Amino acid sequence: SAVISQKPSRDICQRGTSLTIQCQVDSQVTMMFWYRQQPGQSLTLIATANQGSEATYESGFVIDKFPISRPNLTFSTLTVSNMSPEDSSIYLCSVTGQAYHEQYFGPGTRLTVT
Amino acid sequence: KNQVEQSPQSLIILEGKNCTLQCNYTVSPFSNLRWYKQDTGRGPVSLTIMTFSENTKSNGRYTATLDADTKQSSLHITASQLSDSASYICVVSRTGNQFYFGTGTSLTVIP
Repeated sequence: SAVISQKPSRDICQRGTSLTIQCQVDSQVTMMFWYRQQPGQSLTLIATANQGSEATYESGFVIDKFPISRPNLTFSTLTVSNMSPEDSSIYLCSVTGQAYHEQYFGPGTRLTVT
Repeated sequence: KNQVEQSPQSLIILEGKNCTLQCNYTVSPFSNLRWYKQDTGRGPVSLTIMTFSENTKSNGRYTATLDADTKQSSLHITASQLSDSASYICVVSRTGNQFYFGTGTSLTVIP
C-alpha cells in the first residue's frame, strides 16, 4: 500500500488569491491523480500527473486555473488559482498501487474560499 | 455513457443492525469494482476490490457482492457499529485505468 500525506489539511482563503496544495507519497509512483470533492458530491478527477510530462486535464479543468507540478516520483503540487467561493471543496491526491486496480487516497485538503 | 449510481443516498440505522448499500453501473468494458469508506474530513479508504470473476468478497463485517451480468454490486454491513458512520463510495474501473465514482451513500449509525 501507499501512504499519502497532504499539506495543508485545511485552509480558508480570500477570493482572488491562490493556494498550493502539496502531496507526498512514501514510495515512487508513476501516476498521481488530483480530485475535487465538492460539498455533498462524489469525487471528480481534475488531472493526471506523470513525472516528466505535462499533466493531463479532464474536461472542465484547465491548466491556468489548476496548474500542477510533478518534480519527482514521490511529490506533486496542485495550485488553485484566482479562487472564488465555487472552488470551496476538498482536494484529494491519489496514486495507483503496484496492482493496477489499487488506488490510494490522501487525507484531503479542505479549502474554503470567502 | 459510463455511470455509477448508488442507493440509497443516505441511511440511518440503529447500532447492531445490518444494512445493505447498492451500486448499479453501466461502465464498459468492466475492469474491477471497489467499495471505499470515507470518514468525514478524510480521504477514501478501500474496503473491497472485485474483478469480473469474483462474486463475493469480505473484509471483516463488510461483504461485497458483484453480479457482472446485471452490473450490480452491494455492500452488506453486519452488526453495525457507531464507527461505521461514514460515506460509502462505489468506484468502477474501465480497462485502461479510468475510474468512475458513484455519488456515495451516507450512513449514520445511532446508538
